[in-house]
Amino acid sequence: EDQVTQSPEALRLQEGESSSLNCSYTVSGLRGLFWYRQDPGKGPEFLFTLYSAGEEKEKERLKATLTKKESFLHITAPKPEDSATYLCAVQANTGNQFYFGTGTSLTVIP
Amino acid sequence: DAGVTQSPTHLIKTRGQQVTLRCSPKSGHDTVSWYQQALGQGPQFIFQYYEEEERQRGNFPDRFSGHQFPNYSSELNVNALLLGDSALYLCASSSGHRGNTIYFGEGSWLTVV
Repeated sequence: EDQVTQSPEALRLQEGESSSLNCSYTVSGLRGLFWYRQDPGKGPEFLFTLYSAGEEKEKERLKATLTKKESFLHITAPKPEDSATYLCAVQANTGNQFYFGTGTSLTVIP
Repeated sequence: DAGVTQSPTHLIKTRGQQVTLRCSPKSGHDTVSWYQQALGQGPQFIFQYYEEEERQRGNFPDRFSGHQFPNYSSELNVNALLLGDSALYLCASSSGHRGNTIYFGEGSWLTVV
């Protein structure tokens, strides 16, 4: 069964304190792994798509990496405006749906 | 460039009633997917529409139905509402129904009382 597990569930960081969020996945043939940011009461905002192990993508303070079993979202020197829930999703070769994890709630304290 | 737009943003319904939610995809997109997100959970796939047909369905009962129009906009209908249907309903659009990033709207908050 295709599934996604994210850890930790919640993370509190001091401003400037770098860390990583984990996304472990089980999928019958990976078509793509996706990272989204979701602010309270809003729809998810697309961040990155990764397609194959070893691939990396960067955007401002965020960097996403992918292995055959997991993905990491590295946050370098975070700011309070980075506070949000970060969602990971996978799409399998066998279908069109995205399977989402339950997210990591990030709080960055000034 | 307009993104994915959804309406209404909030609504309250009574158990047993029916609801219709609407979605216009991002410009240039022809595929619409619907997701349900309960509080504290990740989005759960309901179904996907492409070329006005339901291409794939998730594990949701027949009370959930949909439609896609020739202009690619879509509706989600839920009949015989239950308290457990209270959630954020998200529409996502993409170009082609396989292997492309999906972009979400802001969602429709449904409360069933």
